[in-house]
This record gives sequence, C-alpha cells and structure tokens, in this order.
Amino acid sequence: NAGVTQTPKFRVLKTGQSMTLLCAQDMNHEYMYWYRQDPGMGLRLIHYSVGEGTTAKGEVPDGYNVSRLKKQNFLLGLESAAPSQTSVYFCASSLDGTPTYEQYFGPGTRLTVT
Amino acid sequence: AQSVTQLDSHVSVSEGTPVLLRCNYSSSYSPSLFWYVQHPNKGLQLLLKYTSAATLVKGINGFEAEFKKSETSFHLTKPSAHMSDAAEYFCVVRSGPSNTGKLIFGQGTTLQVKP
Repeated sequence: NAGVTQTPKFRVLKTGQSMTLLCAQDMNHEYMYWYRQDPGMGLRLIHYSVGEGTTAKGEVPDGYNVSRLKKQNFLLGLESAAPSQTSVYFCASSLDGTPTYEQYFGPGTRLTVT
Repeated sequence: AQSVTQLDSHVSVSEGTPVLLRCNYSSSYSPSLFWYVQHPNKGLQLLLKYTSAATLVKGINGFEAEFKKSETSFHLTKPSAHMSDAAEYFCVVRSGPSNTGKLIFGQGTTLQVKP
C-alpha cells in the first residue's frame, strides 16, 4: 500500500514550457486535491475532484488544468509555465469530503520555472 | 468566510520543555479544525482534529489541542518537546459546511527544538 505518490519529485522548466504532474493513490479514495505551497503562505488549493470524471476550481486555479480520467489518478497540467508557478506542489486524497476522513498527502513535487 | 491565523511564525523551545503553538480561527459555521505537521522535505501528516465532539482533542505523539469557542482559538500543546518534534505545523480549518473537503491552511509555525 503505497498511499499517495507523486511524479516527478523535482522538475526545472523554462518559461513557456508545459508539463504534467501525476498523482496516484491506491486507497480507493473518491476525493483528490492539488495544492501549492509557497514560503509563509501555507498550502493553497488549486483544483480538486470529488470523483472520477469530475473536477472543480479551488482558491488559485489560474494557469493550471486538471483531469481525473481514472479514480486513482489526478493530473495537474501547466500549459505555459511562468516563474510565478515556482512552488512545491502537493497532492492529497480522502475517502470523502466530510471531516470524518482525513486527507492523505503525497511527498510533493518541487517545480522551478526559470 | 473561514480563515485561520497562526500567531507565531517561529517557536523555539528546549528539549523536555512544553510546546505551545497558537492558532486563532474565524468561521461563519461550527468549525472543523485540524493540526497537520510537515517534517523537512516530507508531505503533511494529520496530528489531530476537532469536529464538534470533545473540546480537548488528543493526537499522535503526545500532542493535544483545546477548542475554545469564546476565544476562537485552537492552540496546540505538548508537555515535553522531543528533538523529533522539530518541524512545520499548520493549523487548518474546513472551508464551509459542504462536503467538498476543502481546507484552508494557516501560514505555518516552524518549531525548533534545542538540545
């Protein structure tokens, strides 16, 4: 049981390049989330999904797109990377959205955009 | 709207002394509150949560927090710090009553434990 895994762990992009971050969970969780973490700002929600085939915007969705084609995977895409997207990205999953069930976090992806 | 404020960005304690990490919240609803810990270069782990049951909540690794509605606070405490407690701690509030699971994070408090 690997929990929540993220690929890749590190990436350096040039401005304007695109990339996709992959999040996978093996806990059969319905809900999945993408956050970004910046110094002194805690984590901020980018997009989330409440089930296979669904996505919704979070607090800071601009410049990102997501897809949830399979229940176990949640992809985060950057179509045209900007230096402001330099951050650490965390994926999380939970059984459902109630506070009964905690969110489990992946180890993070450190992205630098030059 | 819901929000959390962590009152200290950095707390330094000596090993074996008590830990207090302060958190105030704002919520239009009866809140659900959490504390998460992040060790260096790791993901986040849930320490404890308050979901309108007992106001004194016990978590893992000897941590506990008390929900005080009159003070809108949810401070995290531990009687005796251990070197392994050095990490960043986040106070978190659930974003509204709907079951989307959306969370709002505080800015984080870095706990330093000196030998």
